Amino acid sequence: DVVMTQSPLSLPVTLGQPASISCRSSQSLVYSDGNTYLNWYQQRPGQSPRRLIYKVSNRASGVPDRFSGSGSGTDFTLKISRVEAEDVGVYYCLQGTHWPPGYTFGQGTKLEI
Amino acid sequence: EVQLVESGGGLVTPGGSLRLSCAASGFTFNNAWMSWVRQAPGKGLEWVGRMKGYSEGGTTDYATPVKGRFTMSRDDSKSTLYLQMNSLKTDDTGVYYCTRETDLIGDWGQGTLVTVSS
Repeated sequence: DVVMTQSPLSLPVTLGQPASISCRSSQSLVYSDGNTYLNWYQQRPGQSPRRLIYKVSNRASGVPDRFSGSGSGTDFTLKISRVEAEDVGVYYCLQGTHWPPGYTFGQGTKLEI
Repeated sequence: EVQLVESGGGLVTPGGSLRLSCAASGFTFNNAWMSWVRQAPGKGLEWVGRMKGYSEGGTTDYATPVKGRFTMSRDDSKSTLYLQMNSLKTDDTGVYYCTRETDLIGDWGQGTLVTVSS
């Protein structure tokens, strides 16, 4: 089964500074249709998760442009250009290319100020 | 606006059963692919199962830890998704989220807490 590995697991940041989270998969996430099914989610404390990025680099509706996604194959990155207080929470990557066994989340990265 | 409202969570003893419901609105439910995702206390997200839309036969897939114990179903006339959970274990404790698939998992409900304990 495909394994999703995020790093770091804890990310202390300074307001206004950039932040970067890595997500690596044990197998290439390029699907037979040419798409790469890798999403990013944010879960603020006490809230449900919210999708930030879909298919590697597409921002979801309403997501600030300080969030960006990049990568290919097995290596992916979520970047925040300038961290704001509301960005505190846990960030997860998700793969949907390899099916079965189904969707696989990374372990999560806790971003804290 | 898409809304997903879960209900049915609660306290159940090991070996017991529980049925969760997810009332959906704001989109065409009968064609929607839906998933359940859970989160144990203080832990990460874990996909539980998926059900395709009516036009794809409503077929289901489940994560290995719940296969054979959990069953997803849907009532398109009520725009409601269900998760029947049998033979519950303490490891099944957590918040269960109903989600709608658009480019993988898109929309999330607020979750319902399931506690399996004696």
